[in-house]
Amino acid sequence: KAGVTQTPRYLIKTRGQQVTLSCSPISGHRSVSWYQQTPGQGLQFLFEYFSETQRNKGNFPGRFSGRQFSNSRSEMNVSTLELGDSALYLCASSLGQGLVSGANVLTFGAGSRLTVL
Amino acid sequence: GEDVEQSLFLSVREGDSSVINCTYTDSSSTYLYWYKQEPGAGLQLLTYIFSNMDMKQDQRLTVLLNKKDKHLSLRIADTQTGDSAIYFCAVTNQAGTALIFGKGTTLSVSS
Repeated sequence: KAGVTQTPRYLIKTRGQQVTLSCSPISGHRSVSWYQQTPGQGLQFLFEYFSETQRNKGNFPGRFSGRQFSNSRSEMNVSTLELGDSALYLCASSLGQGLVSGANVLTFGAGSRLTVL
Repeated sequence: GEDVEQSLFLSVREGDSSVINCTYTDSSSTYLYWYKQEPGAGLQLLTYIFSNMDMKQDQRLTVLLNKKDKHLSLRIADTQTGDSAIYFCAVTNQAGTALIFGKGTTLSVSS
């Protein structure tokens, strides 16, 4: 069974540009969450999508957005890139929405490492 | 808000047991998790424990939960060099919608 697939794995952008990252969840998983990992702030929740709708959002500016398609694949977009957006962006999928059920553990992908110059 | 604390580094000899500790502030998390991250990789779920349990054992891994003290630990028996990685403790936020991670403990195993 294939795991969570994220593309691209590495990318370099310059300030002011925008970037789109893609995530394909495990087959049958309907929820996709995104996390940002930086050396300073650690791992922080960005947002969660379920049934093509954003269900929950972390404390990030509006430059960070995402969407989910009918096949549960998800994309996240960061516009007007800043140097501080350099990070590893991790996507995770789970069977259903939320984390109060033991069946809804998060399985993470390998991440997309974004460098902003 | 919820806070999760871990010590930053742990160094052990191959064959010894490793114990990684974690404390958290909010006891509303239904499940508590341990993830492992190897260099250049994403997060690998190692194990998780239901909040009503005190202990869970999974092969070389033992998780202990002390809800009164809000303390979670991960014990790795017979630690191997391949166990060298960063270990993250995580709990759910109050709404049960996202994970809150500690800063991670870097485990270094020497032969």
